[in-house]
Amino acid sequence: GNSVTQMEGPVTLSEEAFLTINCTYTATGYPSLFWYVQYPGEGLQLLLKATKADDKGSNKGFEATYRKETTSFHLEKGSVQVSDSAVYFCALSVAQGGSEKLVFGKGTKLTVNP
Amino acid sequence: GAVVSQHPSRVICKSGTSVKIECRSLDFQATTMFWYRQFPKQSLMLMATSNEGSKATYEQGVEKDKFLINHASLTLSTLTVTSAHPEDSSFYICSAIGTDFNYGYTFGSGTRLTVV
Repeated sequence: GNSVTQMEGPVTLSEEAFLTINCTYTATGYPSLFWYVQYPGEGLQLLLKATKADDKGSNKGFEATYRKETTSFHLEKGSVQVSDSAVYFCALSVAQGGSEKLVFGKGTKLTVNP
Repeated sequence: GAVVSQHPSRVICKSGTSVKIECRSLDFQATTMFWYRQFPKQSLMLMATSNEGSKATYEQGVEKDKFLINHASLTLSTLTVTSAHPEDSSFYICSAIGTDFNYGYTFGSGTRLTVV
């Protein structure tokens, strides 16, 4: 089946620290991969995506590279800010039953302290 | 970019009543809309997938008579929680996708439902 496994949180960092949130996936076919961010009390916002192997998605200083050989899509940021505090979801999209569906990881809560 | 508006953002209702949540795509035609439920500190659970003009496809374990989904137009889908009970209290989120997959899945801002 299709599934996403991401590192469990919570993750607490100091401002300007380096961030890595691991994400691995299992999928039939060739999925697209996403990172979504959810700020408190809000819906999800697309942070970045990659649609094929070796693609690198990037946005707001965050990066993730689609690694087919390791079935991974780890999220990284070189210097986090307090405003990055949120829950981050790794997800994959794959055609299933004639339609595309998103499959989410459980989410990783990030807290950045000043 | 693609925008999805979800309304209301918060609703409190009495046990036994019904609540309707709207999800609108503002600047694109949403061929498919999805409804999710999110429990505290957990991931999103897909409840159902709806295509415009056809019946929704519900995920296993989701009661279709309890959670009525209507997708009557390419810009509007509604979720009605019928005869709500306290255990239905949750955060409900819709998302939509159109024909231009470059926009990906666009999510609404969610609805916090509290049943008292």
